[in-house]
Amino acid sequence: EVVVTQSPVTMSVSPGEGATLSCRASQSVNSNFAWYQQKPGQAPRLLIYAASTRATGVPARFRGSGSETEFTLTISGLQSEDSAVYFCQQYHNWPTTFGHGTRLEIK
Amino acid sequence: QVQLQESGPGLVKPSQTLSLTCTVSGGSINSGSYYWNWIRQSAGKGLEWVGRVFISGSTNYKPSLESRVTISLDTSKNQFSLTLDSVTAADTAIYYCARDTSGWEYFDSWGQGILVTVSS
Repeated sequence: EVVVTQSPVTMSVSPGEGATLSCRASQSVNSNFAWYQQKPGQAPRLLIYAASTRATGVPARFRGSGSETEFTLTISGLQSEDSAVYFCQQYHNWPTTFGHGTRLEIK
Repeated sequence: QVQLQESGPGLVKPSQTLSLTCTVSGGSINSGSYYWNWIRQSAGKGLEWVGRVFISGSTNYKPSLESRVTISLDTSKNQFSLTLDSVTAADTAIYYCARDTSGWEYFDSWGQGILVTVSS
């Protein structure tokens, strides 16, 4: 299985600032990569697929980038509602695998 | 807008069978080329894809679980189901049903999840 490693594990950022979350895959996954947001007590919500395509209804301040083994989720103009755990997922190699998450706290 | 809702027992005894159902509303489970998935989340393993069923009834399972898992469709009830045999404490998790509309195995709609605890 492809191992997906997320960093940092936790981060705390002030409102209005930006945040950069990273994922590394243990082997190339091309651009078959997704990001999810999960708030307490809720299911994950798809944010980004195909490494950089925003899912329906996702604000433009969420931007995904990267390919092969290195991927980044950049969130600009952070709002209190962005406080959540963010997961990444590779779906190039079967079975699909997820990272363990980055907890983003808005100060 | 499609909605998914998991249901089933929240407590299962070790060595017994876990059975969950996902009811799909707001759309037919038969429409489009959708894959219907089960994903679980535990503190130890994080998010773990369990398996999926296509509208044709064909299935794919995570290899490490394949000997114990069955996923099936009931189109008459607009539902799909998960059974997991011979459960242990390691199967304790929140179980989500989720839809994949692309076939690429990313998930654009999720149920709210159901906590299943394996304990005597």
